[in-house]
Amino acid sequence: QKEVEQDPGPLSVPEGAIVSLNCTYSNSAFQYFMWYRQYSRKGPELLMYTYSSGNKEDGRFTAQVDKSSKYISLFIRDSQPSDSATYLCAMSGGYNKLIFGAGTRLAVHP
Amino acid sequence: DGGITQSPKYLFRKEGQNVTLSCEQNLNHDAMYWYRQDPGQGLRLIYYSQIVNDFQKGDIAEGYSVSREKKESFPLTVTSAQKNPTAFYLCASSIDSGTGHSPLHFGNGTRLTVT
Repeated sequence: QKEVEQDPGPLSVPEGAIVSLNCTYSNSAFQYFMWYRQYSRKGPELLMYTYSSGNKEDGRFTAQVDKSSKYISLFIRDSQPSDSATYLCAMSGGYNKLIFGAGTRLAVHP
Repeated sequence: DGGITQSPKYLFRKEGQNVTLSCEQNLNHDAMYWYRQDPGQGLRLIYYSQIVNDFQKGDIAEGYSVSREKKESFPLTVTSAQKNPTAFYLCASSIDSGTGHSPLHFGNGTRLTVT
């Protein structure tokens, strides 16, 4: 079993939809949780960063961490075609050893 | 603009040849990393370096080598010993190698194809 599980998709939604992306993990020591967005043929860019449990909101994006269930989510409101990308979750218990999910490919069509 | 520059963007090599991928950063970050990305798999850590002249193996270091002679530069050599070298290679850096949770900044990758 992988330490971090992420559904690869692809996920296809109409413009304006609310998108929910999720990862589950097995290591209870993870405390730092990140979401990266990766456009085709580009490097990942940091989208959201959260510590421990709770919610964090940034514009149309909300990151949610539920440590009791070992489950993290990224919500995208009012999705746009420019949100079409692969979304990678990543997490760490410290010491810069980030563990990445496989990524979920999202397509938002007009 | 500060950032990480990887070159070249695309690289083609014949089997049996060593090849070196370049990574330069002007973010003044202490730590640098090399990851490999394959379809359907998460990023896998090849090597990382927390300070100049020091580096550690990651999860899949076999068939790769690195050097860190300058803070700004962390080249990766893919040797002929690497059994499946065709992949997308990503270089990253982080500001703080000590606390263990600094976000990574990535370059735009090098796509290596070995035939």
